[in-house]
Amino acid sequence: DQQVKQNSPSLSVQEGRISILNCDYTNSMFDYFLWYKKYPAEGPTFLISISSIKDKNEDGRFTVFLNKSAKHLSLHIVPSQPGDSAVYFCAARTPPNAGNMLTFGGGTRLMVKP
Amino acid sequence: DAMVIQNPRYQVTQFGKPVTLSCSQTLNHNVMYWYQQKSSQAPKLLFHYYDKDFNNEADTPDNFQSRRPNTSFCFLDIRSPGLGDAAMYLCATSRARLETQYFGPGTRLLVL
Repeated sequence: DQQVKQNSPSLSVQEGRISILNCDYTNSMFDYFLWYKKYPAEGPTFLISISSIKDKNEDGRFTVFLNKSAKHLSLHIVPSQPGDSAVYFCAARTPPNAGNMLTFGGGTRLMVKP
Repeated sequence: DAMVIQNPRYQVTQFGKPVTLSCSQTLNHNVMYWYQQKSSQAPKLLFHYYDKDFNNEADTPDNFQSRRPNTSFCFLDIRSPGLGDAAMYLCATSRARLETQYFGPGTRLLVL
């Protein structure tokens, strides 16, 4: 049972345009959501996060939106750059009294074309 | 500077031959995690240590064991690797359970 899903395995975007990566979850107990970025031959690196009490968090070119009623979050990258090409994983965390662990989605490969 | 180091980066073993993967960290973090990631799938948590306190996920096979001799090092032991254990194994650390996890580059295990 996949509790965190990224339904698009890949996304291709032109440099300078907006990239929108989507993530859906099923467990309403998740209280914190994170996005990780992974380059080939490297481990995932933390990118941006959002608490379940917020609906938006912005950091430079990266913005994460959370829609709790729809159990959906998205990562917006604007403007997209070729160096953003990587696999992006969303992850959701259960609160301390429910294990406090991360559950990852399957990833979306973003390709930004020059 | 490397903060979470995994050795080796690639490991080849034979079916049924025990293998150990290692992870070390320079962050002095309390929590260390081991994840298994198979091709095109999400990383799956196997277990984690909070200091010396070992926490096994319910669906982690008994074939997988872990040791944490000190704060800096954590080992993943696969007692009798099967072909289905071929995967990328990721080590991660966090200062506390609630905090951001930092990942190593992973060890890709191939079972012949």
